[in-house]
Amino acid sequence: DAMVIQNPRYQVTQFGKPVTLSCSQTLNHNVMYWYQQKSSQAPKLLFHYYDKDFNNEADTPDNFQSRRPNTSFCFLDIRSPGLGDAAMYLCATSRGWPNNEQFFGPGTRLTVL
Amino acid sequence: GENVEQHPSTLSVQEGDSAVIKCTYSDSASNYFPWYKQELGKRPQLIIDIRSNVGEKKDQRIAVTLNKTAKHFSLHITETQPEDSAVYFCAASKPGGYNKLIFGAGTRLAVHP
Repeated sequence: DAMVIQNPRYQVTQFGKPVTLSCSQTLNHNVMYWYQQKSSQAPKLLFHYYDKDFNNEADTPDNFQSRRPNTSFCFLDIRSPGLGDAAMYLCATSRGWPNNEQFFGPGTRLTVL
Repeated sequence: GENVEQHPSTLSVQEGDSAVIKCTYSDSASNYFPWYKQELGKRPQLIIDIRSNVGEKKDQRIAVTLNKTAKHFSLHITETQPEDSAVYFCAASKPGGYNKLIFGAGTRLAVHP
């Protein structure tokens, strides 16, 4: 089945220790997104790639970076995780306009000790 | 910037009753309105969506209505079942590019047997 896969599903890191989250897709979609979702809140868009073009949301902290080495994979790097970065991180994909639907991965729950 | 307000924040119904969740968007250029269901610890899943050239869309027990003039759209769930219990998010998106979704704050629906 075509899908969006995230690894790991659960990640524990220490305060200030860099961490990388992974997303892959078999949908061959042009756009890949990273969202941060904290408990009981809506997903918050951090950034997205449209093909190789990277776009940061204005309020995304510099501590968060992303890489998309090819169509299928996208990584979220958190350079120095703080306690406030503990959250669910969701990857999503879409074909891009006019095909609006976004397909979400299962998420990675990040714990910062 | 674009804003989506969602009400109510919590909704409790008896099994078999109907549930209605309402959203209001601010940007009249928005033309795509999806609804996502998110069960605890799981990914948001698209349950229904509507485009601005349509006033209503139904899929079995779920319907969405759109009033472009008032910039309102609503989710209607009939004959609710306990498995409908989840957090529901509305969202709005404008045409072009990368389909950025502006999410509402979410509604926690509890269906009691």
